[in-house]
Formats: sequence, structure tokens, C-alpha cells
Amino acid sequence: EAGVAQSPRYKIIEKRQSVAFWCNPISGHATLYWYQQILGQGPKLLIQFQNNGVVDDSQLPKDRFSAERLKGVDSTLKIQPAKLEDSAVYLCASSLGSENEQFFGPGTRLTVL
Amino acid sequence: GEDVEQSLFLSVREGDSSVINCTYTDSSSTYLYWYKQEPGAGLQLLTYIFSNMDMKQDQRLTVLLNKKDKHLSLRIADTQTGDSAIYFCAESIGGSYIPTFGRGTSLIVHP
Repeated sequence: EAGVAQSPRYKIIEKRQSVAFWCNPISGHATLYWYQQILGQGPKLLIQFQNNGVVDDSQLPKDRFSAERLKGVDSTLKIQPAKLEDSAVYLCASSLGSENEQFFGPGTRLTVL
Repeated sequence: GEDVEQSLFLSVREGDSSVINCTYTDSSSTYLYWYKQEPGAGLQLLTYIFSNMDMKQDQRLTVLLNKKDKHLSLRIADTQTGDSAIYFCAESIGGSYIPTFGRGTSLIVHP
């Protein structure tokens, strides 16, 4: 069974530029999560989707971050404009439901110069 | 302070046991988890324990939970070089299944 796919794997941008990340969850998984993992820290939840609806986006900096899951499958996370402190690994995870084990993708490493 | 705290590094010899410790602050934790992260990879759930349990064993892994002291440990028996990774302790609180992660413990296994 294919795992969670993310692209790109690496991205380097300058501050104030925009960037988008893509996630394809495991087939049949209704719940999708985006996490931010800053170097030396554990992942922190940014947003949780149940199908195409947002369950929790309380930790998403909405002035610059946005995410969507329009058809309830793939998801994109966008940062516009990026700041230096956005440098991190962005992890996508999916689960059958919100009570089930989360499976993580390999992440996208973002460097903002 | 952090909700979940772990020591940052642990170095062991191949074949020895490793014990990774974690403390948490929220007494309403429902589940406590151990995740493994290998270089360039996402997190992998290793094991979890429900808050009303004291111990859970799964092959080479033993999880001990001391609720009174809010202390969780992961013991890896017969540690191998393939066990070298970052291990994250995490808790979920109340009715949420969203884990709150610690900073991770980097386990280095040397021959």
C-alpha cells in the first residue's frame, strides 16, 4: 500500500516569496493533517481536515498560511509571504478517521533566506 | 515550560538496552505515544499506552507509565544500529487524539 506522498521534498525561497506544498494521503483516509516541525523541536499541528472540511485550524497563522482539501483527497498548504521563521519541515499525515493511527509522509523541508 | 520534556541525546552500545525517558505535565492525558523518526523520513508510530495502563510490551519494546510522577519511558532491548533515530514522546489530552510532541531524543547506537 502506498504511503503518504509529499512534494516537493525540498524548497528554498527568499523571504516575502510564496510557496506551496502538496500532499496525497493514503487512499481511503478521511482525515488529513499538516504539521510544522522546526529544527530541534517536535511537530506542531497546523491544521486538521475531515474529508474536505476543516476540523481544527487554531494553530494556523492565518495571516500568511492557508490550506485546502477541495475534493477531500489531496491537500495543498500555502505560505504567502514567507518569513525567515517559517523555515521548517512541513509534514503531512493521514488517518482513516480522527481516532485512528496517523501515517506521516516524508515531509517538505523549507528554507527561507 | 514545555508540556512534554525529553532529554536530547542518548548513546548506547550495540546489544545493550536503551531507556528513553519523558515527563509530561497534563494529568488528563488519554494516550501516550512513542514515535520514531529516521533521517529524511516522516514519523512512525512505534507504540502507545492508554493512560490507565502501567506497562505495555511489544517484542523488544517496553513502555512504562508512572501516572503519579507523570513519567513515561521506552526501553529498547538488544539495541541495534538500525534503532539509531530520533524518538518522540507525545501525549493526547482529553477527547483529542492529536498528539502533543516533545523535542525528541536522538538515540545513537555505536558498535
